[in-house]
Amino acid sequence: DAKTTQPNSMESNEEEPVHLPCNHSTISGTDYIHWYRQLPSQGPEYVIHGLTSNVNNRMASLAIAEDRKSSTLILHRATLRDAAVYYCILRDDNNDMRFGAGTRLTVKP
Amino acid sequence: DTGVSQDPRHKITKRGQNVTFRCDPISEHNRLYWYRQTLGQGPEFLTYFQNEAQLEKSRLLSDRFSAERPKGSFSTLEIQRTEQGDSAMYLCASSANGRARTGELFFGEGSRLTVL
Repeated sequence: DAKTTQPNSMESNEEEPVHLPCNHSTISGTDYIHWYRQLPSQGPEYVIHGLTSNVNNRMASLAIAEDRKSSTLILHRATLRDAAVYYCILRDDNNDMRFGAGTRLTVKP
Repeated sequence: DTGVSQDPRHKITKRGQNVTFRCDPISEHNRLYWYRQTLGQGPEFLTYFQNEAQLEKSRLLSDRFSAERPKGSFSTLEIQRTEQGDSAMYLCASSANGRARTGELFFGEGSRLTVL
C-alpha cells in the first residue's frame, strides 16, 4: 500500500466540526482511500472509504481532492466519544493493509 | 455478539515460555488477519489467511511465530520462546470475500501479551 502522511495530533472542541487531513501524493489510480479509527483500549474500527467522489455515511464524510493526492475526514459534530487515533490508509488488492501512526484526536468539553 | 472474538484478552508470561492466542472471526468471513501493536504505534501487519491458506506473511513474523487456520474458521497464533520484545497487543481482524481494496476489516479487541 502507498504511503500516507497525517498530523500526529489534533484538538477539537465538543460539538464543533473536525477536519482530519491526509496526504497521499503517490496514490495510484486504483487505490482506494480508507479511514479507520481506534478508540482507547479497542481494536481499530472502519469509518469510511472512497475512490474519487466525496462520500458520506452515518459516522463521517470523506472529501477527496480532485487530483486524489489528499483527502479529509470530516466529523460534523465532534463528541467526547470521537476521541481516538484516526488512520488514513491506501488500499490496493494486496491483502497486507498497513497502518501508519495516525492522528490522535483530542476532543475538549 | 457476532463480532470478532479473541482469547485470552490478557496474558502474562515469563521469558522463554510459549503462548497461544485464538481468534474467532465473524461467521462466513473468508479472510483473516493478524496484527501486532506496540504502545503509541499503529498496528503492524503480521499475516493473512484466505480460508485455511496462509497467503501472506510479514518479515516481522520470525521463526518463533506460527499461525494456523486449520478449518478455515478460527485461527491460532503461537509464539515460542517468548522474548520481552514480544510484549504487545495482538489484534485479529476478518473480512468478507471480495476485492481487498474495497473490503472492510472488522477487528477484535485484541490479546495483550506481557513478557516478564
